[in-house]
Amino acid sequence: AQTVTQSQPEMSVQEAETVTLSCTYDTSESDYYLFWYKQPPSRQMILVIRQEAYKQQNATENRFSVNFQKAAKSFSLKISDSQLGDAAMYFCAAQRSNDYKLSFGAGTTVTVRA
Amino acid sequence: SAVISQKPSRDICQRGTSLTIQCQVDSQVTMMFWYRQQPGQSLTLIATANQGSEATYESGFVIDKFPISRPNLTFSTLTVSNMSPEDSSIYLCSVLTGDNQPQHFGDGTRLSIL
Repeated sequence: AQTVTQSQPEMSVQEAETVTLSCTYDTSESDYYLFWYKQPPSRQMILVIRQEAYKQQNATENRFSVNFQKAAKSFSLKISDSQLGDAAMYFCAAQRSNDYKLSFGAGTTVTVRA
Repeated sequence: SAVISQKPSRDICQRGTSLTIQCQVDSQVTMMFWYRQQPGQSLTLIATANQGSEATYESGFVIDKFPISRPNLTFSTLTVSNMSPEDSSIYLCSVLTGDNQPQHFGDGTRLSIL
């Protein structure tokens, strides 16, 4: 079984500043994937970034980057140069490599102040 | 990535009735999943839709309440049966286009039961 924990229900950031969202997970799997998804009010689930557990290098995608600490089972998301369009609910998720089932955290609502 | 069409986008239903949600993909996919997102909550996996066979349900979800079909590699339906107000949620389908790929989501169906 996999569990994903997001301890920050809400985060606020000034436009152009940086915000970091925390995520920890627990899994008995040796091979898995980690993701951050964004859900704006339109409710569409948008993939932000992914990390393969076997890769030590942290994933980056434009203004989004992760800090993956495998031993600590930590997977935080950093949003740099925050934009108004970044305002959304962000979900951390873990996916098993054998059956691809996703387990989601509770989510963090990000508000961007102009 | 695959283009996923989910219908209807929203509906308001009477208690005791049933509604079928469709998920159509523009290309063949390896796996399809159905999730529920209750108001203000995270996503919970309902089941894996298996092509040509019975779906695999997660704990707490049963076939009589959430019958699922997947007749081919591009289409699946989820029926919410004998609805009650507690079934008011967003229902999302997701697809996996290949091994080691992230899941991509449809736009979701917002269901309200009166």
